[in-house]
Amino acid sequence: EDQVTQSPEALRLQEGESSSLNCSYTVSGLRGLFWYRQDPGKGPEFLFTLYSAGEEKEKERLKATLTKKESFLHITAPKPEDSATYLCAVYSSARQLTFGSGTQLTVLP
Amino acid sequence: DGGITQSPKYLFRKEGQNVTLSCEQNLNHDAMYWYRQDPGQGLRLIYYSQIVNDFQKGDIAEGYSVSREKKESFPLTVTSAQKNPTAFYLCASSNPGTSGQETQYFGPGTRLLVL
Repeated sequence: EDQVTQSPEALRLQEGESSSLNCSYTVSGLRGLFWYRQDPGKGPEFLFTLYSAGEEKEKERLKATLTKKESFLHITAPKPEDSATYLCAVYSSARQLTFGSGTQLTVLP
Repeated sequence: DGGITQSPKYLFRKEGQNVTLSCEQNLNHDAMYWYRQDPGQGLRLIYYSQIVNDFQKGDIAEGYSVSREKKESFPLTVTSAQKNPTAFYLCASSNPGTSGQETQYFGPGTRLLVL
């Protein structure tokens, strides 16, 4: 059974204080790891897909990396508008997405 | 603009009542999905459909039903058999089978509340 664990559950940062969110996974045959951003009361917004260990992708202040056991979402010099819940999901040979419970990020001005 | 629409945004269900949530996409995606999201939990798959007139149960299908008569539409019915229906319901779509196209795109969601 595929499993995804995200940590921490909640993270509070000061504006400009860089940090990382963790996504650990156990999966049979990883076909892709996905990061989404979700604002309160809205649907998840797609950020990145990573397919193999060592792969990295960047978008503005966000950078996602992947190893064989975990993925990190690095946030550099965050702004208050980066406040959201960040969801990690894995797509495996079972051909279904398995989601973690998310990290709720709050960036204080 | 291409995207996924869900309606209504809020839905109230009385005890014993069946209610239907709408999901429409104009992305020309073959696959569509329904998820349920509860506070502090990850999204859980209810039903999915890879092609018109075909659908499969997900992890928590009991108390729910779906149909896929058109490529762009995938309505979800929450039946009276679902005893704890209060949740945020999300519809998604994708084009599976093409390398790099497993990405699922989500609609804005419907919040279902029980009266």
